[in-house]
Amino acid sequence: ELKVEQNPLFLSMQEGKNYTIYCNYSTTSDRLYWYRQDPGKSLESLFVLLSNGAVKQEGRLMASLDTKARLSTLHITAAVHDLSATYFCAVEDGVNAGNMLTFGGGTRLMVKP
Amino acid sequence: EADIYQTPRYLVIGTGKKITLECSQTMGHDKMYWYQQDPGMELHLIHYSYGVNSTEKGDLSSESTVSRIRTEHFPLTLESARPSHTSQYLCASSEYFFGRRTDTQYFGPGTRLTVL
Repeated sequence: ELKVEQNPLFLSMQEGKNYTIYCNYSTTSDRLYWYRQDPGKSLESLFVLLSNGAVKQEGRLMASLDTKARLSTLHITAAVHDLSATYFCAVEDGVNAGNMLTFGGGTRLMVKP
Repeated sequence: EADIYQTPRYLVIGTGKKITLECSQTMGHDKMYWYQQDPGMELHLIHYSYGVNSTEKGDLSSESTVSRIRTEHFPLTLESARPSHTSQYLCASSEYFFGRRTDTQYFGPGTRLTVL
């Protein structure tokens, strides 16, 4: 059974600081997704990482994937208040479960002025 | 931007009532999903469909049922709502091609259900 763990689960940071969110998963996969969710809202797709070594960047967010370590990171550079949200990683199990997504528990990010 | 819609957005209902949560998408996606999410918590897959007349149960056991009579429509029904069903329900869709991996899942705005 595929398990996906994110850490930290909660992150409070100052504007202008850098930080990294980690997403570990338990079985072989080379397709990983990052989503953002604002309070009371639905999920918005941020990144799709399709292979080992993949790196995607959008604004102050950069995501990477290391399939050998079964690890993805979401790096925040010079955080701003608008980045406050919950971030979910999701891993696609293409081997056992018909390409289902298993979600991590989410990282709730609060950026303080 | 994804075109996937859910109604109602908010629903407060008494125990024992039958409810149907609607989900429609205009992207022509074959694969559709229902997730259950408690506030601020992870998503749990409760149902999915590969296409018309296909429905499968997800990881989380649910007393709800789904149907897929049309490609664009994937309603979820609770025959007798209970307080334990109080949660947010998210519908999603993605493209699916036999023999190929699926693409990004696009999510609807969600239905927040409260059962009294």
